[in-house]
Amino acid sequence: KAGVTQTPRYLIKTRGQQVTLSCSPISGHRSVSWYQQTPGQGLQFLFEYFSETQRNKGNFPGRFSGRQFSNSRSEMNVSTLELGDSALYLCASSLTTTSGNTIYFGEGSWLTVV
Amino acid sequence: DQQVKQNSPSLSVQEGRISILNCDYTNSMFDYFLWYKKYPAEGPTFLISISSIKDKNEDGRFTVFLNKSAKHLSLHIVPSQPGDSAVYFCAASYGNNAGNMLTFGGGTRLMVKP
Repeated sequence: KAGVTQTPRYLIKTRGQQVTLSCSPISGHRSVSWYQQTPGQGLQFLFEYFSETQRNKGNFPGRFSGRQFSNSRSEMNVSTLELGDSALYLCASSLTTTSGNTIYFGEGSWLTVV
Repeated sequence: DQQVKQNSPSLSVQEGRISILNCDYTNSMFDYFLWYKKYPAEGPTFLISISSIKDKNEDGRFTVFLNKSAKHLSLHIVPSQPGDSAVYFCAASYGNNAGNMLTFGGGTRLMVKP
């Protein structure tokens, strides 16, 4: 069974630009969540989508947004990029939103903002 | 407020011996705990989990212990192997609609020496 797939794996953007990252969850998984990992802040929850609806949101500015499609694939967008947005962005999927489900992560998209 | 803490940033162990990684939490609402192994610039790999109704869960060389009264969990790896060298994160979640909103500890870098 294929795992969580994220594209692109690496990208470099200029300050002020926007970026869109894509995630395909494990087949059958309907919940997709996004996390940001930076050296200073560690792994932090961005948001979660289930059945095309945002269910939970972390403490990030409105420049960070996402969406989920009917096939459970998800995208996240960061607008007006700042140098501090340089990070590893991780997508995770699970069957439901209920605590007790195993949550599987993709390989991540490494974003560098210059 | 750091709700999940891994107080040891690094741990060095000899091959074949036991590795014990510790994690403390403050939020008594957490009811599910997971351990992940992570290499740089890659996504976390799920290792083992435990529900708050249990105090021990075992999977091969990995055992997780949960002490709810102390709000403490630990991951035991026996025997340790050089391939276990990585950063280990504990994570916690709760709730029927927030189960995928994981709160991560800061990680412990495990080095297993041959």
